[in-house]
Amino acid sequence: GAVVSQHPSWVICKSGTSVKIECRSLDFQATTMFWYRQFPKQSLMLMATSNEGSKATYEQGVEKDKFLINHASLTLSTLTVTSAHPEDSSFYICSASDGTSGFYTQYFGPGTRLTVL
Amino acid sequence: QKEVEQDPGPLSVPEGAIVSLNCTYSNSAFQYFMWYRQYSRKGPELLMYTYSSGNKEDGRFTAQVDKSSKYISLFIRDSQPSDSATYLCAMVSGYGNKLVFGAGTILRVKS
Repeated sequence: GAVVSQHPSWVICKSGTSVKIECRSLDFQATTMFWYRQFPKQSLMLMATSNEGSKATYEQGVEKDKFLINHASLTLSTLTVTSAHPEDSSFYICSASDGTSGFYTQYFGPGTRLTVL
Repeated sequence: QKEVEQDPGPLSVPEGAIVSLNCTYSNSAFQYFMWYRQYSRKGPELLMYTYSSGNKEDGRFTAQVDKSSKYISLFIRDSQPSDSATYLCAMVSGYGNKLVFGAGTILRVKS
């Protein structure tokens, strides 16, 4: 159980275009979803936290107009990178919590590698 | 100073060795401590979590937390080539749900 999927697993796009990444909890209801960013050989950095039906809470330094997060249902959250630039190239990972097995327990997706040319 | 410090390695050991992975932290509010394993180009997988100080054992893995020293460890006994991965420590305070991760230690177990 507790499987989280992400789509796409990798994407290449041109500078200036927008990219949408989906995160789905397959076998549980995710009351809270998290979006992380990971640069090579660096740790995961939390970008934002979203609760179903509410606006996302962004971490300091993360541009909310650039990284649009939507948590439309208990099984789906999306991250849209708008007007992507090469410096946005990174590994984006989502995680989900069902709120019942401990708020500290997050199940991670396999990640999406974004390359902006 | 980072909230969580972790030596990035790489740490290279022969098969069957005992591996010790460590993290130090500065925020005394942290109460929950987790270890994740991450294979290349994959998302992290939760290995173990511990609340407050003490030891926890699960098969070949033992997690230790020393809150007085702000120091946590993960021990892997009888290490296998399949244990080769990046190991991330993470922690969270008792009143939040924001995980703070270490940088991760790359472990290579050679057969």
